[in-house]
Order: sequence, then structure tokens, then C-alpha cells
Amino acid sequence: DAGITQSPRHKVTETGTPVTLRCHQTENHRYMYWYRQDPGHGLRLIHYSYGVKDTDKGEVSDGYSVSRSKTEDFLLTLESATSSQTSVYFCAIKAGAQETQYFGPGTRLLVL
Amino acid sequence: DQQVKQNSPSLSVQEGRISILNCDYTNSMFDYFLWYKKYPAEGPTFLISISSIKDKNEDGRFTVFLNKSAKHLSLHIVPSQPGDSAVYFCAAPMNSGNTPLVFGKGTRLSVIA
Repeated sequence: DAGITQSPRHKVTETGTPVTLRCHQTENHRYMYWYRQDPGHGLRLIHYSYGVKDTDKGEVSDGYSVSRSKTEDFLLTLESATSSQTSVYFCAIKAGAQETQYFGPGTRLLVL
Repeated sequence: DQQVKQNSPSLSVQEGRISILNCDYTNSMFDYFLWYKKYPAEGPTFLISISSIKDKNEDGRFTVFLNKSAKHLSLHIVPSQPGDSAVYFCAAPMNSGNTPLVFGKGTRLSVIA
């Protein structure tokens, strides 16, 4: 258990509304990541952070923004949710040896 | 362009037999590989990894083999147990040193009692 929590765990929203997902870690890890998982696509990187206020885009960053104002929290925002953003979102941190990442429990988002 | 490929979406194995999950990669610069296991409604959990300086790494019932010349790795589970039924993802860091992972699409393993 890498001390990662995600909130909310489930959310249903309507197209066009803003949505913010939160990832919280308790162990002061520098690197944090947001992935989405969709059938037939595996896990794809949305954004990641390598420190407070230091973020970079991933493979599927369009329509998403992130913020990291303190080490323990990494927020993912959908400015105007679309049905294509219906997915399961996972937060991860990098810890320990090499490039090993540890994942949170996920947030299941449904955009109607 | 998919850099990590898992070409078998699913695999079914009898309990007690060997499960072999395969993964191919295209980027010869990859120097570290990881396998993750995922149960429904849970986050992926780290299973085992291997550095490119090795060709085998073993942890209990799980062994990962790396064939650099073929750009191929495989995960062996012996003996397979019903609790091993899950989706398995192969992954590699995009670049060396503190970078995100690129994942395969996953293989769903079903171990039949």
C-alpha cells in the first residue's frame, strides 16, 4: 500500500460540466501520474508531475488539465466533460527501485 | 504507434498448469520492464520487473524472461491458481530515468479450477 487515495471513487456527470478528480498521497513522493483505462487501450498517460507546480503532458492530454500546488495532492480537471472522457482514471506515484509505479484504487467517471 | 504490445487479449489455463503471458516491444532503448496485475474495480498492482542487463527474474511462482534480440518478454506463472485470474499489463519506462510508463493493452488470464 503506497498510501494513495483517489476521490471521488465514482462520479456521474453531464456533458459540458467541469469535473475535478483528486489524488492524495501520504508519503511525500515527488512523481505523480494520471492514467485512464479504457477497453482495448490498456492504460494511457494523461499528465504527470515531477514536483510541485511541475507538470507535463502525456499521450492523451487533450481536454484535461492538472495542478499540483502541494506535494501530496495532484488534481485532474476536465474543464468541460465529454462522453469520450467516460473512463476509469488511475493515479500513480513512483517509489522505490527503478521506475516502479504504484497505483491508487481508481475513479470511475461516467459522462452522460 | 504502440511501443509495447500484448497480442493475446485473453488466455485460459487449467489450475496447476503453467500460464505464459507474452509481450513484445519496438523500442530497443527500453532498459527496464514491469508486469502489473489488475483485478476488477481495483488499481493495478506491481508484480515483477526485469532490467535489460538480465534475461530472467524470479519471484516465487512468477518468472519474467527477457529476450532482447527478439524484443520479447514473457511472464510465467507456475503453478497457476484461480486467484491469478486477472488482467496482466506489461509496461516499460518511455525513456531512461524518472519517466512515465507506456503500457500494453493487457491480457486477461482466466485460471479454471
